[in-house]
Amino acid sequence: ETGVTQTPRHLVMGMTNKKSLKCEQHLGHNAMYWYKQSAKKPLELMFVYSLEERVENNSVPSRFSPECPNSSHLFLHLHTLQPEDSALYLCASSQGGGSSYNSPLHFGNGTRLTVT
Amino acid sequence: SQKIEQNSEALNIQEGKTATLTCNYTNYSPAYLQWYRQDPGRGPVFLLLIRENEKEKRKERLKVTFDTTLKQSLFHITASQPADSATYLCALEAGGTYKYIFGTGTRLKVLA
Repeated sequence: ETGVTQTPRHLVMGMTNKKSLKCEQHLGHNAMYWYKQSAKKPLELMFVYSLEERVENNSVPSRFSPECPNSSHLFLHLHTLQPEDSALYLCASSQGGGSSYNSPLHFGNGTRLTVT
Repeated sequence: SQKIEQNSEALNIQEGKTATLTCNYTNYSPAYLQWYRQDPGRGPVFLLLIRENEKEKRKERLKVTFDTTLKQSLFHITASQPADSATYLCALEAGGTYKYIFGTGTRLKVLA
């Protein structure tokens, strides 16, 4: 069983809805990530938090809003999404930073999002 | 910008044979490269990391090579089994402590 838990596993939302994705890691890591995975495309890095501070924001539209209240929890708030935002959203954690920068990523099983 | 290419979208091999997957990268010289396995409906799972000063790394039936001159990594699964069927992703650190970029993956199917 993964040490990174994502909820919900599946989400269908209309373009005018507001919803949130949740991620929790039980590994004691200090960095957390959001990735988007679309069919036939590489994983796209969206946001990275290190010690609860956002350190990467990969030109993501403002309709995606991340929140990291502590080092174990990460949220992705969604509002007024478009159908092309339908994808698998993956959360990951790592013990990153400084000399341990080559620490591998530990992923959750993702939230399959469908925007109608 | 940095780019990773995995040589084929899908690869079918017979059980017991060695599967070889290729990862090529351009416009960067990563200090290390990682390989992940992803099963349908699941997140990727880390398999192996190889550093630029390592030519080869092994873990059980898995072997990874890293040629910084060719800008290429090869991932081998020896004595392949149907349970090895999955998508395999390579990833490299791309100019930032946390900025990993991934290839599109190779979907491996091992036929019984």
